[in-house]
Amino acid sequence: GAGVSQSPSNKVTEKGKDVELRCDPISGHTALYWYRQSLGQGLEFLIYFQGNSAPDKSGLPSDRFSAERTGGSVSTLTIQRTQQEDSAVYLCASSRIPGLAGYEQFFGPGTRLTVL
Amino acid sequence: GESVGLHLPTLSVQEGDNSIINCAYSNSASDYFIWYKQESGKGPQFIIDIRSNMDKRQGQRVTVLLNKTVKHLSLQIAATQPGDSAVYFCAERGNTGKLIFGQGTTLQVKP
Repeated sequence: GAGVSQSPSNKVTEKGKDVELRCDPISGHTALYWYRQSLGQGLEFLIYFQGNSAPDKSGLPSDRFSAERTGGSVSTLTIQRTQQEDSAVYLCASSRIPGLAGYEQFFGPGTRLTVL
Repeated sequence: GESVGLHLPTLSVQEGDNSIINCAYSNSASDYFIWYKQESGKGPQFIIDIRSNMDKRQGQRVTVLLNKTVKHLSLQIAATQPGDSAVYFCAERGNTGKLIFGQGTTLQVKP
């Protein structure tokens, strides 16, 4: 596609429910990232997938958060037993393999999650 | 630990003036830095990048300066326009390859 797409654009859920957020990266991009952005804050790194390597999960805030990337393309971020503090915009980005050409990440529009 | 921060949360400038947005980083091993612009309701958009072996890089109306001695990064926007109003983030590539973002500076352009 032309850019990174994410779905849904908005998600409202009740505390305790599970949610799944989807990211479709740019075709051919081997690296995929998930970030969380709370209102008026910077981007908090969550997880990073690079090719067939084991993902860097060092940013996941708790074991309620998990992500997978199937076939090296689409990724799903799952939040189990959602809490109100999980409310934020979840951003996905993709990039080519880092190299001399740079490391630019292309971001999707984000999914705004609201936990009531 | 690794952190990237910005000196000012909000910068207000007059249309047509030059803007300078500053950023401090703490990881001296970072080898790559990026500036992103984020408009309301949208994901961050790449503006310009710079590698650690450079101290200046210019784009269209934007210049990024890197001072590795004091671990300082700045973004200069020439002839600021209303469309430049947004939140600007600096980011550094850390040892593991992932980007670490600062808190952001809101740029307000007054007509």
